[in-house]
Amino acid sequence: GAVVSQHPSWVICKSGTSVKIECRSLDFQATTMFWYRQFPKQSLMLMATSNEGSKATYEQGVEKDKFLINHASLTLSTLTVTSAHPEDSSFYICSAREGRRSPLHFGNGTRLTVT
Amino acid sequence: AQTVTQSQPEMSVQEAETVTLSCTYDTSESNYYLFWYKQPPSRQMILVIRQEAYKQQNATENRFSVNFQKAAKSFSLKISDSQLGDTAMYFCAFMKEDGDYKLSFGAGTTVTVRA
Repeated sequence: GAVVSQHPSWVICKSGTSVKIECRSLDFQATTMFWYRQFPKQSLMLMATSNEGSKATYEQGVEKDKFLINHASLTLSTLTVTSAHPEDSSFYICSAREGRRSPLHFGNGTRLTVT
Repeated sequence: AQTVTQSQPEMSVQEAETVTLSCTYDTSESNYYLFWYKQPPSRQMILVIRQEAYKQQNATENRFSVNFQKAAKSFSLKISDSQLGDTAMYFCAFMKEDGDYKLSFGAGTTVTVRA
């Protein structure tokens, strides 16, 4: 089945630094990927839609300059949390779709802790 | 905008018994998809079952089945013969058929299977 790999699984960074999270579709091409944020025991909140070869579409309330998304190829999207602060600590999940009617496949998530 | 409501924050069930999770949604769309996702303690999102709105027949996947009531905008999940490995958070999700393919998630229901 389709596999989405997310890296790293967990990361600790210092306040003020930036951290990059990668999302790769391993055995299919994904023109669209999605980035979510999840707080403990809460639902997934969609942050942005990542489109290959074009700018990401951000949901209302999500800071574009803080959460930089790049979708440089059909198999890779990256989320960079810039100038991270402790309130950015969360679980970040990506997902990708093979085609129009195929289900979403999720990465295994990245736990970000900002100290 | 679509809203998905899961009114049961937590449910507990004895091993081998049956539990039903409720989900209602609000939409003006006529064509859409509904999903149930499972998120175990590993936090990996796993697709449990999917239903196309145009299909009257309720979807079934082994011990998991849904009761889809389109007019009532209800989409409940029944887990039969519950197993310890079913312990997880369960999310109901909605997606329009046309357009951006974004998933709207409910708040989730934590299911605990007791031995």
